[in-house]
Formats: sequence, C-alpha cells, structure tokens
Amino acid sequence: AAGVIQSPRHLIKEKRETATLKCYPIPRHDTVYWYQQGPGQDPQFLISFYEKMQSDKGSIPDRFSAQQFSDYHSELNMSSLELGDSALYFCASSSQQAGANVLTFGAGSRLTVL
Amino acid sequence: AQSVTQPDIHITVSEGASLELRCNYSYGATPYLFWYVQSPGQGLQLLLKYFSGDTLVQGIKGFEAEFKRSQSSFNLRKPSVHWSDAAEYFCAVGTRRFSGGYNKLIFGAGTRLAVHP
Repeated sequence: AAGVIQSPRHLIKEKRETATLKCYPIPRHDTVYWYQQGPGQDPQFLISFYEKMQSDKGSIPDRFSAQQFSDYHSELNMSSLELGDSALYFCASSSQQAGANVLTFGAGSRLTVL
Repeated sequence: AQSVTQPDIHITVSEGASLELRCNYSYGATPYLFWYVQSPGQGLQLLLKYFSGDTLVQGIKGFEAEFKRSQSSFNLRKPSVHWSDAAEYFCAVGTRRFSGGYNKLIFGAGTRLAVHP
C-alpha cells in the first residue's frame, strides 16, 4: 500500500540558510499535517491543511511557512534557520472523508543545522 | 486544553515479562485515543486506536489497550514482551472540530522501553 512520502530524508544546512521539505500524502487523503520532533522530544504539531486550505496552526515559527498544492502534496519552507531548528520533521496525512482521524506518518525528514 | 501525560519516561522489562505503559489524557469530550511506536530514527507507526465501542482494543504486534473513562486513562499492555519491542511509545489524543474539516494529534512525552534478555 502507498504510504506518506517525505523528501529529502536528510538535510544539512547552515545557520541563516533556507530549507524546503516536501510531503506526498497517501492518494485520496485530503488532509496533511506537519510535526516537529526535537531530540528526545515528543512530536509537536506545526500546521495542517485540509483541501489545500490551512486548517489549524500550532507552534510553527513565523520563519516557517507551508502550503498544500493542487495535487495535495505539501511543502514546509523554513528560512533563517537556527540551530534549534535541528529536528525530525514528520508529515502525516488522513482522510476526512473516511470520518476518522487516523493519521499515517511518513518516515520523516531529518534536518541538521550547523 | 487537551493534553496527554505519560508518567513513565523510561521502563525496562525482561524479555517474556508482561508490560503496561500508562497514559492519562485531558479532553472535554469523548476522545479519540492512539498509541504509536517509534524505533530510533524512524517514523511513527500506529499500534492501535480507540474511537468508540468496546473499551478494550486490540492492536498490532500483540498489543492491547483499555480505555477507562472514569480514570481518563488509556494504558497499553502486552502479556509477553519481545526484544524487538524496544522502542519509544507515544500515546496521543485526537481532536475534532464539529464545524468540520480537520483534526490533529496531541502527543504525550513518550515512554522509552528497554528490553533485556
């Protein structure tokens, strides 16, 4: 079965650089979520999109932005990177049409900021 | 506000022993409850979920969990632990807006399980 695809799996950037993470949800899933997991931390909700519109916002820094495109894939853009942005970034998707909030997570993108 | 508490940060059990991981939640309505497992450097895999109905739910890999509304708990259990169960376990509560359109998961801090022979 198709899963949530995230790219790149690993990314190394320097401070003040920008980074873009991509997420391809499971086909026919209409909702995408982004989570950030710092070392030894639980996943923190950043932002979500339903049918290409932002549906909820969590602890996402102003330096970050995200969007969902017409093909339902999503991108998380991070600018002016800081050391503290080093984390595992998860994308998840679900289907509102299915009537249940079962999120399927991707394998994550590990961002290291030097 | 919704929250999830996992009181045990680390647990060590012997292989073959029984396991119970604790989870307490705070949510104003009937919650959607989940347990996810994460191996080092890996993504989150759904073990089991509770939406309604039978309060004892069965999941993958021989895990089960029991929803107890009176205690606001959703503890995860396994009768006999295998070395491959060593991982981090996250309890989560799902939120839903009745106006429609979205939901999200709020995670607990996680419990790291170590299994020794």
